[in-house]
Amino acid sequence: DAGVIQSPRHEVTEMGQEVTLRCKPISGHDYLFWYRQTMMRGLELLIYFNNNVPIDDSGMPEDRFSAKMPNASFSTLKIQPSEPRDSAVYFCASSYHSEAFFGQGTRLTVV
Amino acid sequence: DQQVKQNSPSLSVQEGRISILNCDYTNSMFDYFLWYKKYPAEGPTFLISISSIKDKNEDGRFTVFLNKSAKHLSLHIVPSQPGDSAVYFCAALYSGAGSYQLTFGKGTKLSVIP
Repeated sequence: DAGVIQSPRHEVTEMGQEVTLRCKPISGHDYLFWYRQTMMRGLELLIYFNNNVPIDDSGMPEDRFSAKMPNASFSTLKIQPSEPRDSAVYFCASSYHSEAFFGQGTRLTVV
Repeated sequence: DQQVKQNSPSLSVQEGRISILNCDYTNSMFDYFLWYKKYPAEGPTFLISISSIKDKNEDGRFTVFLNKSAKHLSLHIVPSQPGDSAVYFCAALYSGAGSYQLTFGKGTKLSVIP
């Protein structure tokens, strides 16, 4: 397996634009996580899914953030509208009841 | 309120010596603890873990110790190598009642000096 695949690797967008981050988890994993990494707050859990169902989205900072998992092999994290303070590295991870495996992340810059 | 704390943002160690990275947690419901290693521009990679029912787990140069009464764990790397230079994240897992909460500390940047 190629591991967790995220796209794009880098995204630069203007404030107010919609941003969509994508993730393909490892096949067979039943948990999927979205994390955000910033200098101030470290690695924050935004939301996680179990068997494609959102379980806990309490880490989602605002209503501008939304995440979906339409099937077991794909998830999206959408920010609309984006703001400069959303600039961070966003990681997707997947797990099968043990350690989580991370993708390489999407570095988002909102100008 | 941080449930997993890594109080040392950085650590420098001479090559060949022991590196000790520390982590404290507050939630006694955590039942599994993990260490991840992260290089720049890459995602965190799993390094070693320990169940809450154990107090030590060893894998080659890496050993994790857990002190439940003190809510403290540590990662020992011996001997340290320059390739160990990275950011190390401590993580704690609560997997009860259908939940799967993996909470990370803010990381400690380890620099191994040749």
